[in-house]
Amino acid sequence: ILNVEQSPQSLHVQEGDSTNFTCSFPSSNFYALHWYRWETAKSPEALFVMTLNGDEKKKGQISATLNTKEGYSYLYIKGSQPEDSATYLCATSEKLVFGKGTKLTVNP
Amino acid sequence: EPEVTQTPSHQVTQMGQEVILRCVPISNHLYFYWYRQILGQKVEFLVSFYNNEISEKSEIFDDQFSVERPDGSNFTLKIRSTKLEDSAMYFCASSAQQGAGGYTFGSGTRLTVV
Repeated sequence: ILNVEQSPQSLHVQEGDSTNFTCSFPSSNFYALHWYRWETAKSPEALFVMTLNGDEKKKGQISATLNTKEGYSYLYIKGSQPEDSATYLCATSEKLVFGKGTKLTVNP
Repeated sequence: EPEVTQTPSHQVTQMGQEVILRCVPISNHLYFYWYRQILGQKVEFLVSFYNNEISEKSEIFDDQFSVERPDGSNFTLKIRSTKLEDSAMYFCASSAQQGAGGYTFGSGTRLTVV
């Protein structure tokens, strides 16, 4: 059974702090790694899809890296804002196997 | 920006009743999916649908579940005889390609079985 783990489960930071969290996945038969941002009562919003080892992607103050050989991806948020508060989900494989998410709260 | 639309946003049903959850995927997408999230647990894959048939389903997707694309725009999930443990948020998603491309999710239907 494909298992995707995310850590930490939740995170509280102050506005302006930079933060990062981890997604771990099996490195064998890697297909693609997706990051989503999910606010309560809204649709999960696609942030990144990464396929190549060493990939780095950036969207505004959010960036992500991928290591397929060791099976992990990091998501970084530089200078967090209250509006970055959300649950960040990662998923892999063809049918999207999700981690449990990291719930980020940015305090003003 | 194109959206995946799900209705209703919240459905309450009695145990044993049938429910149909509706989704309108993005019009030029070819792959359609249902996921669910039981409160406090991971988002779980239920089924994928391509070319008018199920392409893959999980162990959760047993005989009480079915999917249909009755016309060119809707994609439905039917739960025949609901159980208490079917209470969850159900998400529909669609994509132009499978796996490596982006998936667009709807905002979900919260199903409560009482």
